[in-house]
Amino acid sequence: ILNVEQSPQSLHVQEGDSTNFTCSFPSSNFYALHWYRWETAKSPEALFVMTLNGDEKKKGRISATLNTKEGYSYLYIKGSQPEDSATYLCAKLWGGKLIFGQGTELSVKP
Amino acid sequence: GAVVSQHPSRVICKSGTSVKIECRSLDFQATTMFWYRQFPKKSLMLMATSNEGSKATYEQGVEKDKFLINHASLTLSTLTVTSAHPEDSSFYICSASPQGAYSNQPQHFGDGTRLSIL
Repeated sequence: ILNVEQSPQSLHVQEGDSTNFTCSFPSSNFYALHWYRWETAKSPEALFVMTLNGDEKKKGRISATLNTKEGYSYLYIKGSQPEDSATYLCAKLWGGKLIFGQGTELSVKP
Repeated sequence: GAVVSQHPSRVICKSGTSVKIECRSLDFQATTMFWYRQFPKKSLMLMATSNEGSKATYEQGVEKDKFLINHASLTLSTLTVTSAHPEDSSFYICSASPQGAYSNQPQHFGDGTRLSIL
């Protein structure tokens, strides 16, 4: 059974704080790792697809790193804003399908 | 960008009713679409992979006779919850990608369907 774990499950920060959370996955048979942001009442929105060990990708204030050998990825948000409040999902591509973690629910208070 | 449309967004119906949910790729062709279910406080659980022109591939523990999937065209997959019961109440969501399943490109998701069985 392939397990993708995310931590923490939830996070409450103040506006302006920087934050980060973790996605852990089995390192074997690695093909790609996806990150999505899922805001309430909307559909999940793709943030990053990461494929290479050591990859670092950035989109505005959000960035992510990847370590395929040890099986983890970090997502960083710099200077959190209330509009960053959402659930952040990671998923490992395995056998042509995405296996999702349980998500990290981020709440940013003004 | 690639857009996936899912309909209906919400269904409330009586126990024993069959409910059909549609997932359409609006501006691309999708030979493969995915159906997920979200349990309360849980993440997205893959139910099945919908394959255009062939049978769907179901994940372990998902009843194929309960959750019928049809992918008759390159832009439409349907999930029918047959003889729905209260335990089938959940949030169902589909995804697809122009590049298919084995790709380094992201999936595009529908808005999901909230199914409530009374």
